Amino acid sequence: EAGVTQFPSHSVIEKGQTVTLRCDPISGHDNLYWYRRVMGKEIKFLLHFVKESKQDESGMPNNRFLAERTGGTYSTLKVQPAELEDSGVYFCASSQITSGSPFFGPGTRLTVL
Amino acid sequence: GDSVTQMEGPVTLSEEAFLTINCTYTATGYPSLFWYVQYPGEGLQLLLKATKADDKGSNKGFEATYRKETTSFHLEKGSVQVSDSAVYFCALSDPNNFGNEKLTFGTGTRLTIIP
Repeated sequence: EAGVTQFPSHSVIEKGQTVTLRCDPISGHDNLYWYRRVMGKEIKFLLHFVKESKQDESGMPNNRFLAERTGGTYSTLKVQPAELEDSGVYFCASSQITSGSPFFGPGTRLTVL
Repeated sequence: GDSVTQMEGPVTLSEEAFLTINCTYTATGYPSLFWYVQYPGEGLQLLLKATKADDKGSNKGFEATYRKETTSFHLEKGSVQVSDSAVYFCALSDPNNFGNEKLTFGTGTRLTIIP
């Protein structure tokens, strides 16, 4: 069974540009989470989808970040316009509603210059 | 709010040494506790977990015991191997938030084992 996949693995962009990160969860997993780790600090929760609905977006830093999960399958996280402080590793995770511990993807390393 | 404090790294040990990575938490109620590991170039993997006080999670020779009285969940291994080199994250979740396994993580501890 394929795990959680994320694309791209690395992205380098300039301040002010737009970047879109993609996450493909494990098939059948209704829960999908986005997390971010900035510069060796703790991994912080961004938001949680159940199927296509946003259940909790309390961790989204500001309105430059937009997450979608059309059809309840894959999800995208768009940063527009990107700022220097957005650099970090963005992790996606998925789980079944009743399964407990999420499965994480390898992360996307975003560098904003 | 909930928080996790874990041992600052990096930690460097010789092969077969004893490992302890400290983790303490602050949370309301009775959270579930986790250790995740990130090997080089890979995603986070669940290493072990415990869901109630005095539970011991174990996997791959690693152990951690949920200590409510000290709000701790220290990770231990009796004899580390080079292949254990990775970044280790302590985390908690609120079990009352059914269906939302929102995790609160510590800062991570980088462990390097030298032959």
